[in-house]
Amino acid sequence: GAVVSQHPSWVICKSGTSVKIECRSLDFQATTMFWYRQFPKQSLMLMATSNEGSKATYEQGVEKDKFLINHASLTLSTLTVTSAHPEDSSFYICSARDRDGDNEQFFGPGTRLTVL
Amino acid sequence: GENVEQHPSTLSVQEGDSAVIKCTYSDSASNYFPWYKQELGKRPQLIIDIRSNVGEKKDQRIAVTLNKTAKHFSLHITETQPEDSAVYFCAAIRGTAGNKLTFGGGTRVLVKP
Repeated sequence: GAVVSQHPSWVICKSGTSVKIECRSLDFQATTMFWYRQFPKQSLMLMATSNEGSKATYEQGVEKDKFLINHASLTLSTLTVTSAHPEDSSFYICSARDRDGDNEQFFGPGTRLTVL
Repeated sequence: GENVEQHPSTLSVQEGDSAVIKCTYSDSASNYFPWYKQELGKRPQLIIDIRSNVGEKKDQRIAVTLNKTAKHFSLHITETQPEDSAVYFCAAIRGTAGNKLTFGGGTRVLVKP
């Protein structure tokens, strides 16, 4: 149980285009999902907290107009990187908390984004 | 907000020896402390966690200790094996719904055969 999927697992795009990443909780309902970015050899950096049915809460320094988050259902959150640039190339990981569970977060497998 | 410091950043041990990773946190309200193992290009995997009402927890070769007064917690891996080689992250969280994990900087562990 407690499986989180992400799609796509990797994506290569041209500079200036937008990329959408999906995060799904497969066997539980998640009122809260989290989006992280991880650069090589660094820790996970929280970008935003995604709450079902409401606006996401962004961490300081993260541009909400550039990283659009939508959490329209209890099992799906999406992150759209708009007008991507090479510096946005990174490993994006989502996690989800079980609505009926405790503090544990379940992580997706990550999406490797490369912007050319 | 919460700040989590993790040491060392790299750790090389001989197979069969023990490995210890230490973390400190700043927010005394934090009450849940998970440890994750991450292999290259993979998702972080929870290996053990501890809550603030417990001082120590053990699961086979892995143990975690928590000192609430000093605000630090440690991961202990005994009888290390090559497959223990990975990056380990500690984290801390407040227990209220929706609160976020704060991660330490990570420790790259290399177990030499």
